Amino acid sequence: EDKVVQSPLSLVVHEGDTVTLNCSYEVTNFRSLLWYKQEKKAPTFLFMLTSSGIEKKSGRLSSILDKKELFSILNITATQTGDSAIYLCAVEALGTGGFKTIFGAGTRLFVKA
Amino acid sequence: NAGVMQNPRHLVRRRGQEARLRCSPMKGHSHVYWYRQLPEEGLKFMVYLQKENIIDESGMPKERFSAEFPKEGPSILRIQQVVRGDSAAYFCASSPNRGTEAFFGQGTRLTVV
Repeated sequence: EDKVVQSPLSLVVHEGDTVTLNCSYEVTNFRSLLWYKQEKKAPTFLFMLTSSGIEKKSGRLSSILDKKELFSILNITATQTGDSAIYLCAVEALGTGGFKTIFGAGTRLFVKA
Repeated sequence: NAGVMQNPRHLVRRRGQEARLRCSPMKGHSHVYWYRQLPEEGLKFMVYLQKENIIDESGMPKERFSAEFPKEGPSILRIQQVVRGDSAAYFCASSPNRGTEAFFGQGTRLTVV
């Protein structure tokens, strides 16, 4: 069965800390891995990763994919209280009827002032 | 270009009633996905639709749940004879093509009393 596992499930840090969120997956016919940030509303898209070893960067956030070891990490440097959210990892794979998306349970990040 | 619009934002139904959740995708998007988020759990894929077609409904419960995306108008997720376990946030996402990032609506929070 396809699955996406995120760790840790929750994390509390202080402003200015650097955090690394993990996402491992076991899927058949992998296509892409996506990261989303979910606050009290809808998930917002962060990154889409399809190739191993190529880092994607957006401000203080960066992410990389390892297709050999089947995992991705999301790094946040110099964290701010506004980074407090649930970070969701999703993997897109070829399933019945076309591509399907499997989400992890998310990592709850709380950044203390 | 308005984002993905879901309504209502909050819906309260008594056990046994029907719930109808609406999703209008972003302009130019013909792919719609429905997800359910139970308390303390991640997003779970339910169904993937293109205009007038259900492409993948592998995540839909076999009974009481149905979805449609007519040629004109929003996509509808319909839950008949709701039970307390149906209480959840239901998110809709749309994309212009399969395999590109999806943009999420604000969700409909269904509470069954």
